[in-house]
Amino acid sequence: DGGITQSPKYLFRKEGQNVTLSCEQNLNHDAMYWYRQDPGQGLRLIYYSQIVNDFQKGDIAEGYSVSREKKESFPLTVTSAQKNPTAFYLCASSIASGSGEDTQYFGPGTRLTVL
Amino acid sequence: AQSVTQLGSHVSVSEGALVLLRCNYSSSVPPYLFWYVQYPNQGLQLLLKYTSAATLVKGINGFEAEFKKSETSFHLTKPSAHMSDAAEYFCAVGSGFQKLVFGTGTRLLVSP
Repeated sequence: DGGITQSPKYLFRKEGQNVTLSCEQNLNHDAMYWYRQDPGQGLRLIYYSQIVNDFQKGDIAEGYSVSREKKESFPLTVTSAQKNPTAFYLCASSIASGSGEDTQYFGPGTRLTVL
Repeated sequence: AQSVTQLGSHVSVSEGALVLLRCNYSSSVPPYLFWYVQYPNQGLQLLLKYTSAATLVKGINGFEAEFKKSETSFHLTKPSAHMSDAAEYFCAVGSGFQKLVFGTGTRLLVSP
């Protein structure tokens, strides 16, 4: 079955540590996205990528970094510069038609907790 | 800039009652509008989307939404709520370059 996988499902981090969240898709989508979800705030875009080896900052990119070396993979690193990283992180993918009508398909999410 | 407003962070209905979740959007261009559902500790699943083909859009699980340009609204409805409909619902508007702008979500509570 085609879909998006995220790992791990739960992640605990000590303050000052960098952690990397994995996102893999086998939908053959060009575009991939990372969102952060906090209670009562909906989803906020961290980074997105429309093609391999290219990515753009979203609305809340500070303290995060990404890479896009393969079409299938879009890992997110939460760095120690992110002051409040405890949240639910969602990865998504879509075709890249260039319009706003493309459906984004979401993975199951990773819940990150800072100890 | 595009934006979405979802009125009511929580909506409570009885099983069998009408479900109405409100979404108003702001867009300077013809919008693409989406409704997603999220069950606890899971990702988002697409319920339906509007792309200008028809103003009344039917989705999965018996949900539908009507695009009303004059009211800048895209409210989600279901004639009869089921216990399994209890979840959080997000309205979103598609902007350029595949970016989606999400509302803050409405949690639907269904009582027996």
